[in-house]
Amino acid sequence: GEDVEQSLFLSVREGDSSVINCTYTDSSSTYLYWYKQEPGAGLQLLTYIFSNMDMKQDQRLTVLLNKKDKHLSLRIADTQTGDSAIYFCAESIEGDQKVTFGIGTKLQVIP
Amino acid sequence: GAVVSQHPSRVICKSGTSVKIECRSLDFQATTMFWYRQFPKQSLMLMATSNEGSKATYEQGVEKDKFLINHASLTLSTLTVTSAHPEDSSFYICSARDRTRTGGVYEQYFGPGTRLTVT
Repeated sequence: GEDVEQSLFLSVREGDSSVINCTYTDSSSTYLYWYKQEPGAGLQLLTYIFSNMDMKQDQRLTVLLNKKDKHLSLRIADTQTGDSAIYFCAESIEGDQKVTFGIGTKLQVIP
Repeated sequence: GAVVSQHPSRVICKSGTSVKIECRSLDFQATTMFWYRQFPKQSLMLMATSNEGSKATYEQGVEKDKFLINHASLTLSTLTVTSAHPEDSSFYICSARDRTRTGGVYEQYFGPGTRLTVT
């Protein structure tokens, strides 16, 4: 079955770049997502990437996909205190509505 | 746009009672809604997929008689936790798909979650 793995915790200083990593096991994954969850709130879709793409950039966010290694990363440039949250990596397969989430990486931004 | 609300945001109930949680898509129609459960420091666990006008599809290991799901309209799905016990205490999150968005990107809009505590 599908499995998505992430590290649990990342701490960075304000202004530095953050890189959150994720690995997945299902080679048929078609879409890969990054969601952000702030304390006590639901999830917010930050960005997604198709499996036939290597990189996607959206303002301060850069997503890199290494399909061969089944490795996805999210880079946040100039990290701000407002970026402190839990970031979930997720994947889905074409034709299947189910989205499989990783355990989430808690990002702590130190002022 | 694409706002999903949940009610209540927090509920405390006694063991043995039933609790209903509502999930509403406020500015779009959702033919499909999803119910998740999230334990502390754990990922979201999909409990069931709710399709408007039909029976919900439950994930393996989820008791359909305990977690009753009703998706009576294109903007409302409800989850009822029947005969709740302390082990049912958790954070329940719903999400919805906009029926007007097509294609394979299954973007889901999430509600803010409901914290259920069973005493």
